[in-house]
Order: sequence, then structure tokens, then C-alpha cells
Amino acid sequence: QLLESGGGLVQPGGSLRLSCAASGFTFSTYAMTWVRQAPGKGLEWVSAVSASGESTYYADSVKGRFTISRDNSNNTLYLQLNHLRADDTALYFCAKSPLGVDYGWFDPWGQGTLVTVSS
Amino acid sequence: IVLTQSPGTLSLSPGERATLSCRASQSVRRTYLAWYQQKPGQAPRLLIYGASSRATGIPDRFSGSGSGTDFSLTISRLEPEDFALYYCQHYDSSPITFGQGTRLEIK
Repeated sequence: QLLESGGGLVQPGGSLRLSCAASGFTFSTYAMTWVRQAPGKGLEWVSAVSASGESTYYADSVKGRFTISRDNSNNTLYLQLNHLRADDTALYFCAKSPLGVDYGWFDPWGQGTLVTVSS
Repeated sequence: IVLTQSPGTLSLSPGERATLSCRASQSVRRTYLAWYQQKPGQAPRLLIYGASSRATGIPDRFSGSGSGTDFSLTISRLEPEDFALYYCQHYDSSPITFGQGTRLEIK
């Protein structure tokens, strides 16, 4: 099970940290990813992190502004969002990758946490 | 890799067969392609991975096929609960991308 939190309303240029609490599997052995969905739009992959946390990957649209990390001792995935823009407004999902790869397909997904960037 | 799904909307009746297409802008190695179903207000659900392997618990009316740049998802006999949005996704390399989606609606 994956449970996201930390979303909310933030002004342009502001920051937010999203969390994803994992349970029901050995978190430290699976890569994890963030995917977002703007209102009424399709899915956009945002970032992924390897099981150990040593390797990270980002979409060009968020590179340099967002930072993915994980705390394997607390079974939690994070996404630090800085320099937020209006087009970052979306529902942010965390999802689990299959064993042994840094991204792959995603299953399961959390229910998402909504980030709204507006003045 | 850009994924283009077609059609944008597919209108069919329960019991009919649905075929959804996903075309990649360059070859997807080792059939690294997945399909998801998303219903309103819900998170996406994995249907197919590796282009043709059904995820756990997915009914056998769902099947995937294809390789290289052309992939398809087929639903053999539509059930009322199958009317939803469908996305393809490649995981060949970073950045991962999704198709823009196909809406399957009741005719």
C-alpha cells in the first residue's frame, strides 16, 4: 500500500515536500517513482529513485527544481518541489517499480496528493 | 520516445471487441511497454507489462501485443466496467513517457 501526503496550495516560486508512506512490501528492495496528472490531463512521469537511493532520474520539466529521495529505515519516499510554477499543478502519485530495475512498469500506485500552485 | 495512442476516443458497446493502438517514435527495446487503465477519481491500474504479460488479477479478456514501434491492447469482449481511460507507457530508458491516452466510451 502507498499513501501520499504533503500536497496543498502554494504560491508560484514556493516549495513543498511530498511524502509517500509504503507498507506491505520490503520497501528497501524496490525502486520507486513519482507520476503526476494535471487536472483533466494525461499522466506525466516526474522522477524515479533506485532501491538504494543512489540513482535518481528526472523528467526535463522538473530537473533542477525537484529532488527525489527515500528513507528506507522509515519506508518513505519523498519529493521536494522547489521553484514551483503554475504548470506544476497536478495530482502527484507515487508508485512502485518491479524488483531489480530502476523504473520499469508501475504497480501499485497510491491515490495521489494534490498540489496547486496559484497566487 | 514519444508514444502516440489512437484513437483518441473509441465508442463501442458491451460485448464488442476493442483494439487500442500505441505507436512509438523509435523502437522500444525488449518490448518494454506497459498498459494502464484509469477510471475517474482513481489511480491508474496496471494491466499489461512487457507488451503482452497480464498483471496479477487482470481478466484474460485483456491482451497486449506488439514490438518495435507498434503495440496494441485488445479487450476481447467489453464489460461495462471496462469503459475508462487507457494509457501506454514505455520503460526502455529515462525519461519514461506515457501516451496521451485513449478514452473508451459506451456507444
